[in-house]
Amino acid sequence: KQEVTQIPAALSVPEGENLVLNCSFTDSAIYNLQWFRQDPGKGLTSLLLIQSSQREQTSGRLNASLDKSSGRSTLYIAASQPGDSATYLCAVREYSGNTPLVFGKGTRLSVIA
Amino acid sequence: DTAVSQTPKYLVTQMGNDKSIKCEQNLGHDTMYWYKQDSKKFLKIMFSYNNKELIINETVPNRFSPKSPDKAHLNLHINSLELGDSAVYFCASSPSGWGASNQPQHFGDGTRLSIL
Repeated sequence: KQEVTQIPAALSVPEGENLVLNCSFTDSAIYNLQWFRQDPGKGLTSLLLIQSSQREQTSGRLNASLDKSSGRSTLYIAASQPGDSATYLCAVREYSGNTPLVFGKGTRLSVIA
Repeated sequence: DTAVSQTPKYLVTQMGNDKSIKCEQNLGHDTMYWYKQDSKKFLKIMFSYNNKELIINETVPNRFSPKSPDKAHLNLHINSLELGDSAVYFCASSPSGWGASNQPQHFGDGTRLSIL
């Protein structure tokens, strides 16, 4: 059964720092991987989606990489800002079609001004 | 315009009651989901519907009964509420068809259910 793990569970950094969030999954036979942001009391906002055939995706200050064979993904945030403070969730889709996502427990990020 | 909307946002009720949560999406998606986020913030799939038909039921107690009157709506009815049902329930949707698997899922803001 697929399991997704995110390390660290919580992270606090000063504003301006570059940081990396880690995600690992036990079964490398995934279809795609998605990174979400969750703000307190809010739903999930999709940040980046990486297909299994891709190595990375970029959006603004965010860069997500995927090493499918080793079951790992990273989310790199450049020049962090207090507005980046949120919980970041990693989720994998195991098959094509209308399959649900398998989520990690998230990394709670605090960026201190 | 809200893409995936859930009502109510907060629901506080007593143990043993029956309650419903509604979800609507205006994205034209064929597939809708219910996820549960527990007190440890762990999100897990409960149900998945495609074109009003149930396709996934992840060993959820039969006190939980989803209903999809049309492909834009997926409601969740819960009978005989228990303390352990306290959680945040998220509705989500995604397109189906060729190439749709690589489209992101869109989530609602969640319904915070508290059982007294």
